[in-house]
Amino acid sequence: EVQLVESGGGLVQPGRSLRLSCTTSGFTFGDYAINWFRQAPGKGLEWVGSIRSQAYSGTTQHAASVKGRFAISRDDSESIAYLQMNSLTTEDTAVYYCSRGSKYGTYHVDYWGQGTLVTVSS
Amino acid sequence: DIVMTQSPDSLAVSLGERATINCKSSQSVFSSSNNKNFLVWYQQKPGQPPKLLIYWASTRHSGVPDRFSGSGSGTDFTLTISSLQAEDVAVYYCQQDYTVPLTFGGGTKVEIK
Repeated sequence: EVQLVESGGGLVQPGRSLRLSCTTSGFTFGDYAINWFRQAPGKGLEWVGSIRSQAYSGTTQHAASVKGRFAISRDDSESIAYLQMNSLTTEDTAVYYCSRGSKYGTYHVDYWGQGTLVTVSS
Repeated sequence: DIVMTQSPDSLAVSLGERATINCKSSQSVFSSSNNKNFLVWYQQKPGQPPKLLIYWASTRHSGVPDRFSGSGSGTDFTLTISSLQAEDVAVYYCQQDYTVPLTFGGGTKVEIK
């Protein structure tokens, strides 16, 4: 069974940093891209960024709203992906989801984790 | 960026009746290289993550009941629930996975009339 579990969320002050983890099981992690999405309270879904597999050079892409502040990385040996979030603002308050992407370089997403809440507030 | 526009924002349908949700993209999400439309439908229930229903505009994801179907091509797409069940109450989102940034429609809330 494909599983993704996010952790690391919580309350953080504006301007500070936080690192989220996405621990996975049930599939060959290194073969797949991983995506991060977020959903502000009561709002719709927003793509945060993606990291491809090493077969596609592990390239990362980020939404304009987080570019230069957030960074996605992966540890294939541990089957974990990370979202490093710096210079957080209140606009970053949301549930953050990681999800399994494609094996083939496309942007297809299928399985999602349950999400972790990040609250940015003083 | 590709803008995704869903309609209606909400709809109430009687149990057993048909529900239809529309989605329009600001540019085509059809890829001639593999003859696929890169359009996805998700279902999201309160407090839960989105659940993949349909990809390539019309292919049901594993385990999705066949009362859910997708259609359309290019820029205009439709999700149909042929016979609404109580467990289908949710918000439905379309999303293009043709290019980054991946973008979503605003969502359609489906309720029981």
